[in-house]
Amino acid sequence: DAGITQSPRHKVTETGTPVTLRCHQTENHRYMYWYRQDPGHGLRLIHYSYGVKDTDKGEVSDGYSVSRSKTEDFLLTLESATSSQTSVYFCATAPGGNQPQHFGDGTRLSIL
Amino acid sequence: DQQVKQNSPSLSVQEGRISILNCDYTNSMFDYFLWYKKYPAEGPTFLISISSIKDKNEDGRFTVFLNKSAKHLSLHIVPSQPGDSAVYFCAALYNNNDMRFGAGTRLTVKP
Repeated sequence: DAGITQSPRHKVTETGTPVTLRCHQTENHRYMYWYRQDPGHGLRLIHYSYGVKDTDKGEVSDGYSVSRSKTEDFLLTLESATSSQTSVYFCATAPGGNQPQHFGDGTRLSIL
Repeated sequence: DQQVKQNSPSLSVQEGRISILNCDYTNSMFDYFLWYKKYPAEGPTFLISISSIKDKNEDGRFTVFLNKSAKHLSLHIVPSQPGDSAVYFCAALYNNNDMRFGAGTRLTVKP
């Protein structure tokens, strides 16, 4: 949907290692978002971007950083992964801030 | 603090009947509400939305109702079809970028 590709789709790693998830879009949407989905919580916003090099924190940003060097790519980095960051991560895009977001198919991340 | 709540984790209805999914919110600053549908191993798909200045929005078989005084919205699906079986998320937006999701309701439509 909306030409959103997340990579990798699955990843297993160890506590303390750095992890980077990539979101690539082909729709030229200005806004991009990273969410995590956990049982009983729905989706929670980690960080979002409202333009190249313009990012801001979301509801659960601790332990995560993001970068957006070009319109089509939004990277999510876990500097030192912890087991509490085991989750399914979704990227989303939108043409504007107050418009429906379109989601990628998610990355399942397991931290052992 | 969960500002958007879907109190029914699951709902089962017969094909052809109405499905009603409910959502409550606590933050009166929310000004835009959305419903998303999610199949396993896929991302959520936008279904329908409603602005806080309206109380009803209809799109084919899907209607969303908003009761601002009760801080409650609902999604009606009529008639329900087996392909509607999925997890439905309610979401609320304010300040343009801060979207809060409910925990989801799993709808099963039985043939």
